[in-house]
Amino acid sequence: GQQLNQSPQSMFIQEGEDVSMNCTSSSIFNTWLWYKQEPGEGPVLLIALYKAGELTSNGRLTAQFGITRKDSFLNISASIPSDVGIYFCAGLDSGGGADGLTFGKGTHLIIQP
Amino acid sequence: GAVVSQHPSWVICKSGTSVKIECRSLDFQATTMFWYRQFPKQSLMLMATSNEGSKATYEQGVEKDKFLINHASLTLSTLTVTSAHPEDSSFYICSASPRAGGPREQYFGPGTRLTVT
Repeated sequence: GQQLNQSPQSMFIQEGEDVSMNCTSSSIFNTWLWYKQEPGEGPVLLIALYKAGELTSNGRLTAQFGITRKDSFLNISASIPSDVGIYFCAGLDSGGGADGLTFGKGTHLIIQP
Repeated sequence: GAVVSQHPSWVICKSGTSVKIECRSLDFQATTMFWYRQFPKQSLMLMATSNEGSKATYEQGVEKDKFLINHASLTLSTLTVTSAHPEDSSFYICSASPRAGGPREQYFGPGTRLTVT
């Protein structure tokens, strides 16, 4: 099946720093989604991207859908302690069919005070 | 909007017994729901796609006779783990999409922690 390569695996940063993580795929996706998961909870949708080249912001978060449709990145500006968690990218290769998501392996964000 | 609930949030059962997990879309209808499994410190893996009014579609390697899925209505899907074994212990998460068609996002439930002793 399809696989997503997400990097970095983990990040140790200082509060206030900017964060950048990305996902690449060997095949094309029509939709890219970014989720955040905290321990013992389900993933929470942060940003959804539907068009190649699309750049979308949600507060301090910005994500882009790569032109080739094989990659996406997520940036977090001015990180704060509540940003701690695991961030997952997820891809959907169908335009509207009932397909499940393919997830990256996650980026574990740790913020040092 | 787009809230998905799961019940129970955690369950402990003995080996050989069956466990049912419910997934509900609270404020929207979902013709399709999805079931994922997540092992500790790993990513989510799609198990099956639950379709209202028809049979579920299982991913390769997922035993359909062991993981029974019933999509009883447009707001409820259930996953039954039959004859559970310790290796079935995992975090089970469902998702649903509120859109009827076109590119769409998926919203996840809070998950169910299953421990088989």
